[in-house]
Amino acid sequence: DGGITQSPKYLFRKEGQNVTLSCEQNLNHDAMYWYRQDPGQGLRLIYYSQIVNDFQKGDIAEGYSVSREKKESFPLTVTSAQKNPTAFYLCASSIDTEINEKLFFGSGTQLSVL
Amino acid sequence: AQKITQTQPGMFVQEKEAVTLDCTYDTSDPSYGLFWYKQPSSGEMIFLIYQGSYDQQNATEGRYSLNFQKARKSANLVISASQLGDSAMYFCAMREGNTGGFKTIFGAGTRLFVKA
Repeated sequence: DGGITQSPKYLFRKEGQNVTLSCEQNLNHDAMYWYRQDPGQGLRLIYYSQIVNDFQKGDIAEGYSVSREKKESFPLTVTSAQKNPTAFYLCASSIDTEINEKLFFGSGTQLSVL
Repeated sequence: AQKITQTQPGMFVQEKEAVTLDCTYDTSDPSYGLFWYKQPSSGEMIFLIYQGSYDQQNATEGRYSLNFQKARKSANLVISASQLGDSAMYFCAMREGNTGGFKTIFGAGTRLFVKA
């Protein structure tokens, strides 16, 4: 079945540690996105990528980094510079040719600080 | 700047009744798309309905309809005949851009509670 796989489902970060959230898709979508979800604040865009080896900052990119070395993969690293990383992280992808294309989401990763 | 506003943090509706979830948006781009997504407690995001900025008719998908008022920049979701399974978070979203550069932003969401 085609879809988006996020792992792990739960992740714990120690003070000063970098952690990486995985996102893999087999939908052959060009565009991939990372969103952060906090209670009462909806989804906020962290980074997005429309093509391999290229990505753009979203609204809250500080303290995060990404790479897009393969079309199928868009990992997100939460660095030690992100002082409040506890949140639910959602990865999404879409075809990037028409404005009416919906987003396909993974099942999310809940990140907590120890 | 893009902006999506959902002013209802929480809503209650009696089972089998209709409910309207509000959404207003702000954009200077004449071409945009409006979406509604549902998020149950499991966390998955489920696409519900889409409305394009140039669409003349309001979108409908089963029990979901979108009340699109372009001049007022509103895109309210109407759920008819509410069911207990409709209890979830609902997000309004807007997509802008062009080929090779689309971006989707979301509102803060409305939590819907359906009462038996």
